[in-house]
Amino acid sequence: NAGVTQTPKFQVLKTGQSMTLQCAQDMNHEYMSWYRQDPGMGLRLIHYSVGAGITDQGEVPNGYNVSRSTTEDFPLRLLSAAPSQTSVYFCASSYGQGTETQYFGPGTRLLVL
Amino acid sequence: GQSLEQPSEVTAVEGAIVQINCTYQTSGFYGLSWYQQHDGGAPTFLSYNGLDGLEETGRFSSFLSRSDSYGYLLLQELQMKDSASYFCAVRDSNYQLIWGAGTKLIIKP
Repeated sequence: NAGVTQTPKFQVLKTGQSMTLQCAQDMNHEYMSWYRQDPGMGLRLIHYSVGAGITDQGEVPNGYNVSRSTTEDFPLRLLSAAPSQTSVYFCASSYGQGTETQYFGPGTRLLVL
Repeated sequence: GQSLEQPSEVTAVEGAIVQINCTYQTSGFYGLSWYQQHDGGAPTFLSYNGLDGLEETGRFSSFLSRSDSYGYLLLQELQMKDSASYFCAVRDSNYQLIWGAGTKLIIKP
């Protein structure tokens, strides 16, 4: 099992550009989520999905879109990048929304100039 | 608002015991979790407390008191590889995880 994979590892964008952060898991987990982590802060939930075809907003959803067409994949789209979106993005998955053990991907480090 | 408070930094000596505290104020409570994160790495799950009391997993233990909105992570026989940041996280009434800002554990030989 590869677990949770994320691409790219690093990305530099200019303000106004759009991009998609990829996330995939091979553990047949129903629940997937996206977090951002800023220096000196904990993780903040952006969007989550409890299964294919179902997504919902987390704490900080503005400027981001998600979709879940398959159980395995949960891409995060930045519509028009802003410097405030400079952060480290983590994708996580678990068997269910209430399952305490979440498995995290290695993260994507994004710099928006 | 919702908040979790934990010390920003704790220093301990190799082989010693260290306790990292976490107090929380959230809308609803469905359990307290602890995660470890090494510099540049991803968070990894350590432990979970849904009910009051102590949970032990090897050198790590976690405690919860729901009446005090308080929990702690206890690390015994500290090793240099335990140098990392430790996060507490509470599942709130929306069933989402609310995270603390993390405690950087520095271990000295």
